[in-house]
Amino acid sequence: DAGITQSPRHKVTETGTPVTLRCHQTENHRYMYWYRQDPGHGLRLIHYSYGVKDTDKGEVSDGYSVSRSKTEDFLLTLESATSSQTSVYFCAISELGTSGRGVNEQFFGPGTRLTVL
Amino acid sequence: RKEVEQDPGPFNVPEGATVAFNCTYSNSASQSFFWYRQDCRKEPKLLMSVYSSGNEDGRFTAQLNRASQYISLLIRDSKLSDSATYLCVVNPLNTGGGNKLTFGTGTQLKVEL
Repeated sequence: DAGITQSPRHKVTETGTPVTLRCHQTENHRYMYWYRQDPGHGLRLIHYSYGVKDTDKGEVSDGYSVSRSKTEDFLLTLESATSSQTSVYFCAISELGTSGRGVNEQFFGPGTRLTVL
Repeated sequence: RKEVEQDPGPFNVPEGATVAFNCTYSNSASQSFFWYRQDCRKEPKLLMSVYSSGNEDGRFTAQLNRASQYISLLIRDSKLSDSATYLCVVNPLNTGGGNKLTFGTGTQLKVEL
């Protein structure tokens, strides 16, 4: 299994509080991703990173920010959590696809279950 | 139209049966195709990549039909342990860099005694 850990694994918080989720990898992969997974929606990309200090928005980025100060760590922050952000959050990593092969597969961390009351 | 569409199921099959899932995708320029498996309350795990020529891994066979823009997964001799949700995955319409993938919502398989 790819070396990806997420912390915390479970969190319950209240509306309006800040929350930071951490993803840590030991694979030295260039790309890192944060997804949320909700019933009926599947996995939706929140933000991704293509290198240290290089990040970009995904399809559901409102209300979230990210930072990547080291290759191995990718942080997801909810500045002021809302009940709509109750979800399961997955981190994933990937390497660059080789020429002509399109994009490479992604490997996922175990997930964080976040409940915002 | 969704970028990746799958029948959500559930597909309830007896142990030993053969079951097939299809998935359609909207971006005719897509080059990367995968099947992932996700167990309840767990992370998605790569099952297999899908190549143009089709590929087989034990009881699992994946095929790609570019003309009709669909991907299939065939599972032979189903086991109880095959019960899971199977996610179809494709590189999206506008990658914009980032090595991104688009995930289908999954097809649920339940293998029964």
